[in-house]
Amino acid sequence: SAVISQKPSRDICQRGTSLTIQCQVDSQVTMMFWYRQQPGQSLTLIATANQGSEATYESGFVIDKFPISRPNLTFSTLTVSNMSPEDSSIYLCSGGPAGETQYFGPGTRLLVL
Amino acid sequence: GENVEQHPSTLSVQEGDSAVIKCTYSDSASNYFPWYKQELGKRPQLIIDIRSNVGEKKDQRIAVTLNKTAKHFSLHITETQPEDSAVYFCAASMNTGFQKLVFGTGTRLLVSP
Repeated sequence: SAVISQKPSRDICQRGTSLTIQCQVDSQVTMMFWYRQQPGQSLTLIATANQGSEATYESGFVIDKFPISRPNLTFSTLTVSNMSPEDSSIYLCSGGPAGETQYFGPGTRLLVL
Repeated sequence: GENVEQHPSTLSVQEGDSAVIKCTYSDSASNYFPWYKQELGKRPQLIIDIRSNVGEKKDQRIAVTLNKTAKHFSLHITETQPEDSAVYFCAASMNTGFQKLVFGTGTRLLVSP
């Protein structure tokens, strides 16, 4: 199994600012993903973080708002740009080997004022 | 794209009873079906998964069944305990290298002593 950590665990931000969330996996994984989870809701996939190339975004999510980097097989970042209160949510990364189970990070709880 | 429906949204049982949560999926190409348990404030944790070449899988008190023809799969928890109380999510994906997970809406299970 893969152990995934995220930083920060939580943050309170002012509208119009940006926050970068880091995701670290303890072993090399082929696939890494970023999800958003509103309180009491299910998980919605934001994008697939591709190593060495641009992320693949789901419908409703764009690179200008959620730029993603993945410089290697164990690390990825998600930036939430020009934040508004509607961006308040929990952001989770996940990862796993291709064709195998995905494991989740502990999440980053974001509040935008 | 894939769509996963999950029922019921809430389920209350007495300790020792069985609990069943059902999911249906839309894309017949989906071939991997994990179940995650999420306790309040925690990350989703994989509890069991099944692939499309298997009809049933058991792990102690937990079992998952899959009906490919009807495109539905179910989670069965026997002899429920208060610590089983959590939100359970089903998911589906085409697990062929690019295993993007599509999640159901979640079931809040409450086990009363």
